[in-house]
Amino acid sequence: QQQVKQSPQSLIVQKGGISIINCAYENTAFDYFPWYQQFPGKGPALLIAIRPDVSEKKEGRFTISFNKSAKQFSLHIMDSQPGDSATYFCASLNTGRRALTFGSGTRLQVQP
Amino acid sequence: GAGVSQSPSNKVTEKGKDVELRCDPISGHTALYWYRQSLGQGLEFLIYFQGNSAPDKSGLPSDRFSAERTGGSVSTLTIQRTQQEDSAVYLCASSLAGDEQYFGPGTRLTVT
Repeated sequence: QQQVKQSPQSLIVQKGGISIINCAYENTAFDYFPWYQQFPGKGPALLIAIRPDVSEKKEGRFTISFNKSAKQFSLHIMDSQPGDSATYFCASLNTGRRALTFGSGTRLQVQP
Repeated sequence: GAGVSQSPSNKVTEKGKDVELRCDPISGHTALYWYRQSLGQGLEFLIYFQGNSAPDKSGLPSDRFSAERTGGSVSTLTIQRTQQEDSAVYLCASSLAGDEQYFGPGTRLTVT
């Protein structure tokens, strides 16, 4: 079974701190790794994504680190803000199949 | 521009009734996806449409679930003889040619 394991389940960070969420995948056919941000009552919003040919991608305060040999990737949120409080999902996709496989989600709370 | 829209936003139905959920993808997007989000199962893929190709139905949980896409645009997800375990948020996503999938706000289905 294709799985994406995400940790931690919940995370509390102080304003200005760094939030780190980790994911691990099993299927080596996965070749696209997005992160989604979801606020209560809303659909998931695409935040940032990476492909396995690079080890890091940065967009503003958000950075994905990717370790192909370990089959792991992580999301780093620098200078975390209360507005970042949301649930974050990692996902993996096999471009040939198109269906996203999601992690179980991390509820992030940034305290002011 | 306009994002993915879904209707209704909420639907309450009695066990055994049929329901139809609608998705309007982003204009020009050729691929359309349905996912389900529930507390017990997380975010899971249901079905994928790409242009005029046969849909990938591999995620549909039972033959009570079906979907169609008319004219390469609007899609309808139909659940027949609803059961309490069908209660979930049903999410639609669309994409252009790449891997980026953009989600709508979802339809919250409650089966009583």
